[in-house]
Amino acid sequence: DAGITQSPRHKVTETGTPVTLRCHQTENHRYMYWYRQDPGHGLRLIHYSYGVKDTDKGEVSDGYSVSRSKTEDFLLTLESATSSQTSVYFCAISRTGDPNQPQHFGDGTRLSIL
Amino acid sequence: GENVEQHPSTLSVQEGDSAVIKCTYSDSASNYFPWYKQELGKGPQLIIDIRSNVGEKKDQRIAVTLNKTAKHFSLHITETQPEDSAVYFCAASRDYGGSQGNLIFGKGTKLSVKP
Repeated sequence: DAGITQSPRHKVTETGTPVTLRCHQTENHRYMYWYRQDPGHGLRLIHYSYGVKDTDKGEVSDGYSVSRSKTEDFLLTLESATSSQTSVYFCAISRTGDPNQPQHFGDGTRLSIL
Repeated sequence: GENVEQHPSTLSVQEGDSAVIKCTYSDSASNYFPWYKQELGKGPQLIIDIRSNVGEKKDQRIAVTLNKTAKHFSLHITETQPEDSAVYFCAASRDYGGSQGNLIFGKGTKLSVKP
């Protein structure tokens, strides 16, 4: 395994509540990513980080924010959750940002917003 | 931007047969093509990747081929086994000259290997 822990693994919450998902890595990799996986869409990038306090938007960033105060932790926040954000969220890490370097994934967080 | 199409969406084979999954991409500048296997309840796991300066790569029963002219790449699994049953994703990315090139994924192929 790539040394990635996502928490919580499952969460059910209500529309309008804030939600924070955590990704913790033990590999000291510089790059970290958040994806969402939905039926019929595959994996889509939400945000990524290329270092402490350095983040950027991905393909589907609306409604999400991220923070990275330590190398090992990357947080994804839904400020006011909506039903359209029900999904499985995956964190990934990469040793460098070189696109030719592989990304390794955690086991995901299943989030249900009622 | 890049678009990756993956076919078929489902594939059923008998144990011992070969399985082939195909992907096409739109951005001719894409130069990195990984394949991931995802088992139920798990995250995607990298199984093989290929870079644009290589036409074929093999790792035991798994091989990937790349045709840059036609902009397509394929995953080949030989002598399939029940434990090969999973969802497989292809992806593509490009080098933006030092800045991050994000992976664009296909929508996945559910492979079922029947004993």
